[in-house]
Amino acid sequence: KAGVTQTPRYLIKTRGQQVTLSCSPISGHRSVSWYQQTPGQGLQFLFEYFSETQRNKGNFPGRFSGRQFSNSRSEMNVSTLELGDSALYLCASSLGVTDRNEKLFFGSGTQLSVL
Amino acid sequence: GEDVEQSLFLSVREGDSSVINCTYTDSSSTYLYWYKQEPGAGLQLLTYIFSNMDMKQDQRLTVLLNKKDKHLSLRIADTQTGDSAIYFCAERLSAGNMLTFGGGTRLMVKP
Repeated sequence: KAGVTQTPRYLIKTRGQQVTLSCSPISGHRSVSWYQQTPGQGLQFLFEYFSETQRNKGNFPGRFSGRQFSNSRSEMNVSTLELGDSALYLCASSLGVTDRNEKLFFGSGTQLSVL
Repeated sequence: GEDVEQSLFLSVREGDSSVINCTYTDSSSTYLYWYKQEPGAGLQLLTYIFSNMDMKQDQRLTVLLNKKDKHLSLRIADTQTGDSAIYFCAERLSAGNMLTFGGGTRLMVKP
């Protein structure tokens, strides 16, 4: 079974631009979560999508948005990029069952650098 | 509020046991997790424990949970150089996949 695939692996943008990151979950997984990892703030939850609907949302500004398609693939978008948005963005997929423990499987991430 | 804390660094010799500690503040945690991150890679789930358990053993890994003190630990027996990585503890408070992570402990294993 293929793992969680994130594209692109590396991205360089300038301030003010926008960026779209993509995540393909493991086949059969319906939940996709996004996390931001920075040296200063560590790992922080952005949002989770399940069946094309946002199920949970972290404490990030509205410049950060996401969506999920009918095949469970997800994209996240960051508009009006700031230097502080430079980070490793990790996507995780799971079956999406909420009444029991879920194993999250993480992709290798997209390293975004904002210049 | 939610806050998960870990010590920054741990160095051990190959063959020794490693113990990585974690404290959390929210007593309503349902599950607690340990993840491993190697350079340039995502997070790999190592093990987890349900909040009503005290201990869980999985091959070389032993997780201890002291719910009264809100303290979680991961013991790695017979630590190998391949265990060198950053280890994160995380708590899950409610339904869904919103995890709160600690800052990570860098484990260095010397031959």
